Amino acid sequence: AQKVTQAQTEISVVEKEDVTLDCVYETRDTTYYLFWYKQPPSGELVFLIRRNSFDEQNEISGRYSWNFQKSTSSFNFTITASQVVDSAVYFCALSEAGTNAGKSTFGDGTTLTVKP
Amino acid sequence: DVKVTQSSRYLVKRTGEKVFLECVQDMDHENMFWYRQDPGLGLRLIYFSYDVKMKEKGDIPEGYSVSREKKERFSLILESASTNQTSMYLCASRNGLAGVNEQFFGPGTRLTVL
Repeated sequence: AQKVTQAQTEISVVEKEDVTLDCVYETRDTTYYLFWYKQPPSGELVFLIRRNSFDEQNEISGRYSWNFQKSTSSFNFTITASQVVDSAVYFCALSEAGTNAGKSTFGDGTTLTVKP
Repeated sequence: DVKVTQSSRYLVKRTGEKVFLECVQDMDHENMFWYRQDPGLGLRLIYFSYDVKMKEKGDIPEGYSVSREKKERFSLILESASTNQTSMYLCASRNGLAGVNEQFFGPGTRLTVL
């Protein structure tokens, strides 16, 4: 069975601080996919990034960066110089390639509040 | 752009009523999903479908059923609504049959059962 753990329920930072959201996963598959989604106060989840299990390269996109480490089964998300607009609930998710047409498992989410 | 629409943003129903939540996607995606979102519990998968007339149970199917008669439409049915089904319901769609692609979500339906 697959499992995603986001241990941080809520994080509060002041604008311009850096913040890291943790994600730890469990899976028995050798091929799997990891995702981060953002859910702003308006409610609609938006896809941020996908990582394949065979690609451990870290990725940077503007103020966002992702650190994927298979050795620790983690896929952490860092926001540099946070802004108020980053306030949202962030979900980490895992999909397996083989069974169940790639059913996804989501973590419980981390609510990030960025204060001005 | 992929668009996933849900029939209502807010819905109030009474205990015992039959409730239909409709979801439509406009990008010819094979997979469609229904989740419920509750505080502290994240997104929990109720049902998903990988083709017309095909459905599979998710993690919490009890009390729900689904229908997929057309590729673009996936309906969630509460046969007899109960107060513990008060929740935010999210529909999503995804291209392809493997888990490689991201899901596209609708705006959600906040259902209150009185």
